Amino acid sequence: DVKVTQSSRYLVKRTGEKVFLECVQDMDHENMFWYRQDPGLGLRLIYFSYDVKMKEKGDIPEGYSVSREKKERFSLILESASTNQTSMYLCASSFRVVFSEQFFGPGTRLTVL
Amino acid sequence: TQLLEQSPQFLSIQEGENLTVYCNSSSVFSSLQWYRQEPGEGPVLLVTVVTGGEVKKLKRLTFQFGDARKDSSLHITAAQPGDTGLYLCAGSVEDKLVFGAGTILRVKS
Repeated sequence: DVKVTQSSRYLVKRTGEKVFLECVQDMDHENMFWYRQDPGLGLRLIYFSYDVKMKEKGDIPEGYSVSREKKERFSLILESASTNQTSMYLCASSFRVVFSEQFFGPGTRLTVL
Repeated sequence: TQLLEQSPQFLSIQEGENLTVYCNSSSVFSSLQWYRQEPGEGPVLLVTVVTGGEVKKLKRLTFQFGDARKDSSLHITAAQPGDTGLYLCAGSVEDKLVFGAGTILRVKS
């Protein structure tokens, strides 16, 4: 059974803290993605990676960075969390970048106080 | 600006009713996917449509891709409470998927 796991389901942080969100996939996929999901806005792509140590900016990269040191692991980093980064964060992986199913993790609900 | 507009935003219906949700854009997509997301879970792929005019059926769900590959619809026949969820469409643009905001469907028994 294919699986994408995220390190936390719920997270509460304070403004200015550094936050790490971890994602691991067991499908040997080349491509991994980080989205944030907000009501009425759908899923917006933050960053994606199509290979180890490679990263590409998505539509809303400001305030975020990523790390991909191993094929199965893709980390999202909030260098200095702000209240407008309160959101649901979804990680996904896929075999190909396009025409390919994306497999999602269960999400991390992050609240920044 | 939302590249993909989904309508309606919310739909609450009785078990057994039929419904259609729409996904529209002014952009052409090389393919379009529909996902379903249940509370507390990530989206799960239902179908991918690639050819303009294509119709795909998945049990009681019928998906159609517009001839010009700018729009799509999802029709559910005889809805059941288990169909409750958030339905998302996503279009392939260059090397990315662009998601609509989704349609929240609630089917009451």
